[in-house]
Amino acid sequence: DTAVSQTPKYLVTQMGNDKSIKCEQNLGHDTMYWYKQDSKKFLKIMFSYNNKELIINETVPNRFSPKSPDKAHLNLHINSLELGDSAVYFCASSAHLAGARDTQYFGPGTRLTVL
Amino acid sequence: GDSVTQMEGPVTLSEEAFLTINCTYTATGYPSLFWYVQYPGEGLQLLLKATKADDKGSNKGFEATYRKETTSFHLEKGSVQVSDSAVYFCALLGGTNSKLTFGKGITLSVRP
Repeated sequence: DTAVSQTPKYLVTQMGNDKSIKCEQNLGHDTMYWYKQDSKKFLKIMFSYNNKELIINETVPNRFSPKSPDKAHLNLHINSLELGDSAVYFCASSAHLAGARDTQYFGPGTRLTVL
Repeated sequence: GDSVTQMEGPVTLSEEAFLTINCTYTATGYPSLFWYVQYPGEGLQLLLKATKADDKGSNKGFEATYRKETTSFHLEKGSVQVSDSAVYFCALLGGTNSKLTFGKGITLSVRP
């Protein structure tokens, strides 16, 4: 009964390709997020969605397009992959948007390698 | 904007040693503070949290106290185990958009 799941766990692809990462949460949460962890393990938020509505877009290139078909899913599509996109991508969810006391629960991560 | 500063790592300790990992923050308003842990090859797990000044979060023998006067949330454990070897992230959650701001993380290695 995984709370936040991501697929795939590993993704190896060539530069220029388009790929997607899927995320699902079964916690009944309203808000979902994508974070990027670089090679130095630094974590930074990319996007957040609340009830399928985009809330945060942290100056991410428009090659990255999140899509939320329903509030339990937040997928990340990346066009024209570049070497610098290689990273671990984490999905997370929290109960509400504006609750500063809400814990964010993270998925296991997707390690993307662009060759 | 919000920021979190963690002490430089990595940290290597012997089993049963005392652990302190420093974390200070800059934020407007009254953020919530978190410690997350990432075990090798795994995702992030919440270790503990504190949502207001003077709160103490604790879990698995780890503790951290939310100190508003020093804007700090240092992580401590009295006796570390080999299984505590991981990367530890301090983070704050502030404002109305639920954006978590992370520190750079610190790698802890515990020797038997």
